[in-house]
Amino acid sequence: GAVVSQHPSRVICKSGTSVKIECRSLDFQATTMFWYRQFPKQSLMLMATSNEGSKATYEQGVEKDKFLINHASLTLSTLTVTSAHPEDSSFYICSAAYKGETQYFGPGTRLLVL
Amino acid sequence: AQSVAQPEDQVNVAEGNPLTVKCTYSVSGNPYLFWYVQYPNRGLQFLLKYITGDNLVKGSYGFEAEFNKSQTSFHLKKPSALVSDSALYFCAVREGGYSTLTFGKGTMLLVSP
Repeated sequence: GAVVSQHPSRVICKSGTSVKIECRSLDFQATTMFWYRQFPKQSLMLMATSNEGSKATYEQGVEKDKFLINHASLTLSTLTVTSAHPEDSSFYICSAAYKGETQYFGPGTRLLVL
Repeated sequence: AQSVAQPEDQVNVAEGNPLTVKCTYSVSGNPYLFWYVQYPNRGLQFLLKYITGDNLVKGSYGFEAEFNKSQTSFHLKKPSALVSDSALYFCAVREGGYSTLTFGKGTMLLVSP
Protein backbone atom coordinates (compact mmCIF):
# COMPACT_ATOMS: atom_id res chain seq x y z
CA GLY A 1 0.00 0.00 0.00
CA ALA A 2 0.81 3.72 0.04
CA VAL A 3 2.19 3.98 -3.47
CA VAL A 4 2.85 7.35 -5.04
CA SER A 5 3.73 7.71 -8.69
CA GLN A 6 5.23 10.59 -10.64
CA HIS A 7 5.21 11.25 -14.33
CA PRO A 8 7.40 11.80 -16.20
CA SER A 9 10.44 10.32 -14.49
CA ARG A 10 12.74 12.38 -16.64
CA VAL A 11 12.17 15.38 -18.89
CA ILE A 12 14.41 17.54 -21.02
CA CYS A 13 13.05 20.83 -22.31
CA LYS A 14 14.19 24.01 -23.95
CA SER A 15 14.59 27.21 -22.00
CA GLY A 16 11.37 29.23 -21.98
CA THR A 17 9.00 26.30 -22.25
CA SER A 18 6.68 25.00 -19.54
CA VAL A 19 6.80 21.54 -18.03
CA LYS A 20 4.07 19.74 -16.12
CA ILE A 21 4.83 17.02 -13.58
CA GLU A 22 2.08 14.78 -12.25
CA CYS A 23 1.95 13.19 -8.83
CA ARG A 24 -0.61 10.50 -8.09
CA SER A 25 -1.47 8.53 -4.98
CA LEU A 26 -2.39 5.12 -6.35
CA ASP A 27 -3.98 3.31 -3.45
CA PHE A 28 -5.05 5.98 -0.99
CA GLN A 29 -6.66 9.37 -0.96
CA ALA A 30 -4.18 12.12 -0.29
CA THR A 31 -5.68 15.04 1.58
CA THR A 32 -2.33 16.79 1.35
CA MET A 33 0.42 16.65 -1.22
CA PHE A 34 3.86 18.19 -0.96
CA TRP A 35 6.38 19.22 -3.59
CA TYR A 36 10.08 19.15 -2.87
CA ARG A 37 13.17 20.04 -4.79
CA GLN A 38 16.46 18.27 -4.28
CA PHE A 39 19.83 19.47 -5.49
CA PRO A 40 22.69 17.00 -5.97
CA LYS A 41 23.98 15.61 -2.71
CA GLN A 42 21.66 17.82 -0.72
CA SER A 43 18.56 17.35 1.36
CA LEU A 44 15.01 17.96 0.25
CA MET A 45 13.74 21.51 0.14
CA LEU A 46 10.00 21.89 0.60
CA MET A 47 8.55 24.07 -2.11
CA ALA A 48 4.85 24.00 -1.36
CA THR A 49 2.04 22.19 0.36
CA SER A 50 -1.28 21.64 -1.33
CA ASN A 51 -4.58 20.52 0.07
CA GLU A 52 -7.23 19.11 -2.21
CA GLY A 53 -9.51 21.80 -3.53
CA SER A 54 -7.60 24.76 -2.13
CA LYS A 55 -4.69 26.93 -3.12
CA ALA A 56 -1.20 25.73 -2.42
CA THR A 57 0.87 27.21 0.38
CA TYR A 58 4.33 28.15 -0.84
CA GLU A 59 7.47 28.24 1.22
CA GLN A 60 9.37 31.48 1.51
CA GLY A 61 11.44 32.20 -1.55
CA VAL A 62 9.46 29.95 -3.90
CA GLU A 63 7.80 31.84 -6.74
CA LYS A 64 4.19 30.78 -6.95
CA ASP A 65 3.79 32.21 -10.44
CA LYS A 66 6.70 30.14 -11.66
CA PHE A 67 5.83 26.89 -9.92
CA LEU A 68 2.11 26.41 -10.42
CA ILE A 69 0.55 23.73 -8.26
CA ASN A 70 -2.87 22.24 -8.75
CA HIS A 71 -4.46 19.66 -6.46
CA ALA A 72 -7.74 19.01 -8.23
CA SER A 73 -8.54 15.65 -6.72
CA LEU A 74 -7.63 13.46 -3.76
CA THR A 75 -5.30 11.41 -5.91
CA LEU A 76 -3.67 13.91 -8.24
CA SER A 77 -1.50 16.98 -7.89
CA THR A 78 0.44 18.69 -10.66
CA LEU A 79 3.45 20.97 -10.61
CA THR A 80 3.97 23.15 -13.66
CA VAL A 81 7.31 24.85 -14.07
CA THR A 82 6.52 27.85 -16.24
CA SER A 83 9.05 29.47 -18.56
CA ALA A 84 11.72 27.08 -17.38
CA HIS A 85 15.34 28.17 -17.28
CA PRO A 86 18.53 26.15 -16.78
CA GLU A 87 18.63 27.07 -13.09
CA ASP A 88 15.32 25.24 -12.68
CA SER A 89 17.05 21.98 -13.56
CA SER A 90 16.70 19.75 -10.54
CA PHE A 91 15.16 16.63 -9.07
CA TYR A 92 11.55 17.26 -8.12
CA ILE A 93 9.89 14.91 -5.65
CA CYS A 94 6.29 14.84 -4.51
CA SER A 95 4.82 13.22 -1.46
CA ALA A 96 1.29 12.48 -0.35
CA ALA A 97 -0.28 12.11 3.05
CA TYR A 98 -3.70 11.24 4.38
CA LYS A 99 -4.90 13.52 7.17
CA GLY A 100 -1.42 14.47 8.32
CA GLU A 101 -0.09 10.95 8.73
CA THR A 102 3.11 9.63 7.21
CA GLN A 103 4.22 11.18 3.94
CA TYR A 104 4.81 8.72 1.12
CA PHE A 105 7.09 9.85 -1.63
CA GLY A 106 7.02 9.50 -5.36
CA PRO A 107 10.05 8.29 -7.33
CA GLY A 108 10.99 11.80 -8.42
CA THR A 109 11.26 13.64 -11.73
CA ARG A 110 14.58 14.70 -13.14
CA LEU A 111 14.18 18.00 -15.02
CA LEU A 112 16.90 19.26 -17.33
CA VAL A 113 16.41 22.64 -18.98
CA LEU A 114 18.68 23.34 -21.90
CA ALA B 1 11.35 26.21 14.84
CA GLN B 2 12.08 22.56 14.30
CA SER B 3 15.39 21.19 13.10
CA VAL B 4 17.21 17.94 12.48
CA ALA B 5 20.92 17.21 12.61
CA GLN B 6 22.62 14.26 11.01
CA PRO B 7 26.22 14.73 12.13
CA GLU B 8 27.78 12.22 9.75
CA ASP B 9 27.98 12.81 6.01
CA GLN B 10 28.96 9.18 5.51
CA VAL B 11 29.00 5.97 7.51
CA ASN B 12 31.10 3.02 6.43
CA VAL B 13 30.45 -0.47 7.74
CA ALA B 14 31.38 -3.98 6.71
CA GLU B 15 28.67 -6.39 5.69
CA GLY B 16 27.41 -8.39 8.64
CA ASN B 17 28.40 -5.76 11.18
CA PRO B 18 25.88 -3.66 13.08
CA LEU B 19 25.23 -0.16 11.79
CA THR B 20 24.09 3.08 13.37
CA VAL B 21 23.11 6.28 11.60
CA LYS B 22 22.78 9.19 13.99
CA CYS B 23 20.04 11.78 14.20
CA THR B 24 19.22 14.47 16.74
CA TYR B 25 16.28 16.81 16.62
CA SER B 26 14.85 19.97 18.06
CA VAL B 27 11.14 20.78 18.35
CA SER B 28 9.16 22.84 20.78
CA GLY B 29 6.41 20.26 21.27
CA ASN B 30 6.05 16.52 20.89
CA PRO B 31 8.18 15.18 18.06
CA TYR B 32 7.00 12.96 15.26
CA LEU B 33 10.17 11.34 13.92
CA PHE B 34 10.77 9.56 10.63
CA TRP B 35 13.51 7.75 8.75
CA TYR B 36 13.55 7.53 4.97
CA VAL B 37 15.99 5.88 2.57
CA GLN B 38 16.83 7.11 -0.91
CA TYR B 39 18.49 5.04 -3.61
CA PRO B 40 20.23 6.82 -6.53
CA ASN B 41 17.86 8.78 -8.75
CA ARG B 42 14.86 7.59 -6.80
CA GLY B 43 12.36 9.11 -4.40
CA LEU B 44 12.36 8.47 -0.69
CA GLN B 45 11.14 5.22 0.81
CA PHE B 46 9.57 5.25 4.24
CA LEU B 47 11.44 3.08 6.77
CA LEU B 48 9.87 3.78 10.14
CA LYS B 49 8.38 6.40 12.39
CA TYR B 50 7.98 7.27 16.04
CA ILE B 51 4.79 8.98 17.15
CA THR B 52 4.24 7.71 20.65
CA GLY B 53 4.59 4.51 22.64
CA ASP B 54 7.63 2.25 22.82
CA ASN B 55 10.91 4.03 22.40
CA LEU B 56 12.25 1.25 20.17
CA VAL B 57 10.57 1.33 16.80
CA LYS B 58 10.91 -1.46 14.27
CA GLY B 59 10.61 -0.75 10.58
CA SER B 60 11.18 -2.10 7.11
CA TYR B 61 14.14 -4.22 5.97
CA GLY B 62 15.24 -5.05 9.52
CA PHE B 63 15.88 -1.46 10.54
CA GLU B 64 14.96 -0.08 13.92
CA ALA B 65 15.36 3.23 15.69
CA GLU B 66 15.44 4.25 19.30
CA PHE B 67 13.76 7.40 20.52
CA ASN B 68 15.66 9.02 23.37
CA LYS B 69 13.83 12.03 24.72
CA SER B 70 16.54 13.15 27.14
CA GLN B 71 19.16 13.15 24.41
CA THR B 72 16.70 14.32 21.72
CA SER B 73 17.98 11.58 19.49
CA PHE B 74 16.46 9.07 17.08
CA HIS B 75 19.34 6.93 15.83
CA LEU B 76 18.73 4.38 13.10
CA LYS B 77 20.15 0.91 13.68
CA LYS B 78 20.41 -2.50 12.11
CA PRO B 79 22.02 -5.54 13.74
CA SER B 80 23.63 -6.88 10.57
CA ALA B 81 24.28 -4.68 7.54
CA LEU B 82 23.82 -5.80 3.95
CA VAL B 83 25.58 -4.43 0.89
CA SER B 84 22.14 -3.62 -0.48
CA ASP B 85 21.58 -1.26 2.47
CA SER B 86 24.03 1.17 0.86
CA ALA B 87 22.00 4.31 0.20
CA LEU B 88 21.28 7.82 1.43
CA TYR B 89 19.35 7.98 4.69
CA PHE B 90 17.29 10.93 5.84
CA CYS B 91 15.95 11.64 9.29
CA ALA B 92 12.95 13.95 9.49
CA VAL B 93 10.91 15.57 12.24
CA ARG B 94 7.71 17.44 12.61
CA GLU B 95 5.99 18.77 15.66
CA GLY B 96 3.05 16.71 16.88
CA GLY B 97 -0.22 16.91 15.05
CA TYR B 98 0.18 18.28 11.60
CA SER B 99 3.02 20.39 10.33
CA THR B 100 5.57 20.21 7.57
CA LEU B 101 8.47 17.80 7.73
CA THR B 102 11.96 19.09 8.29
CA PHE B 103 14.69 16.86 6.90
CA GLY B 104 18.26 16.38 7.94
CA LYS B 105 20.96 16.76 5.32
CA GLY B 106 21.22 13.02 4.84
CA THR B 107 23.84 10.40 5.66
CA MET B 108 25.34 8.18 3.01
CA LEU B 109 25.67 4.62 4.23
CA LEU B 110 28.25 2.47 2.47
CA VAL B 111 28.32 -1.22 3.29
CA SER B 112 31.38 -3.04 2.00
CA PRO B 113 31.36 -6.75 1.13
